Amino acid sequence: GENVEQHPSTLSVQEGDSAVIKCTYSDSASNYFPWYKQELGKRPQLIIDIRSNVGEKKDQRIAVTLNKTAKHFSLHITETQPEDSAVYFCAAISPGAGSYQLTFGKGTKLSVIP
Amino acid sequence: KAGVTQTPRYLIKTRGQQVTLSCSPISGHRSVSWYQQTPGQGLQFLFEYFSETQRNKGNFPGRFSGRQFSNSRSEMNVSTLELGDSALYLCASSLVASGNNEQFFGPGTRLTVL
Repeated sequence: GENVEQHPSTLSVQEGDSAVIKCTYSDSASNYFPWYKQELGKRPQLIIDIRSNVGEKKDQRIAVTLNKTAKHFSLHITETQPEDSAVYFCAAISPGAGSYQLTFGKGTKLSVIP
Repeated sequence: KAGVTQTPRYLIKTRGQQVTLSCSPISGHRSVSWYQQTPGQGLQFLFEYFSETQRNKGNFPGRFSGRQFSNSRSEMNVSTLELGDSALYLCASSLVASGNNEQFFGPGTRLTVL
């Protein structure tokens, strides 16, 4: 089955700096890659996603890049702010016959230091 | 629209007991997925229900089961509880089968097994 590795597990950055979180996946058939943000004590929320036919997607200060050949995708947050502090999860979805497999990375705890 | 709701929010059980958790999706959403979240394993996919049918299942033992009703509400049951079942159980709903559609998470049910 699919295996998703996420690095780093923890990340501390100064406010205003950029943060990058990387994920690798094993199943070349995976075609959808969402990123979720989970603030302390709250539910995960989708922040950005990318499909396999796109190499990069941006939404204000966040961007995701996908390298299908290398089977890795990354989340980029620029001009970080204290409210960006949270756990971020990547996921990969691989299609099957009438169903799919959803696999999450183990998460990255991002701390933005004011 | 009201968000995804889960009941109860907190639950304490003892080993060997069984438990039933409930999830009400966003109105109009037909797909409900269940996840187990633990500090060590992160977010792990349990199963997904769509139109009252289980469409996909993760790698969990048969003690974990679920069902979906005609109004799309879903329940998850865990029998013969073990200490390792202590976790946050999250459900997520999406408009259609959630393979590549945004999933909206509920607040979770915190299960503690003593």
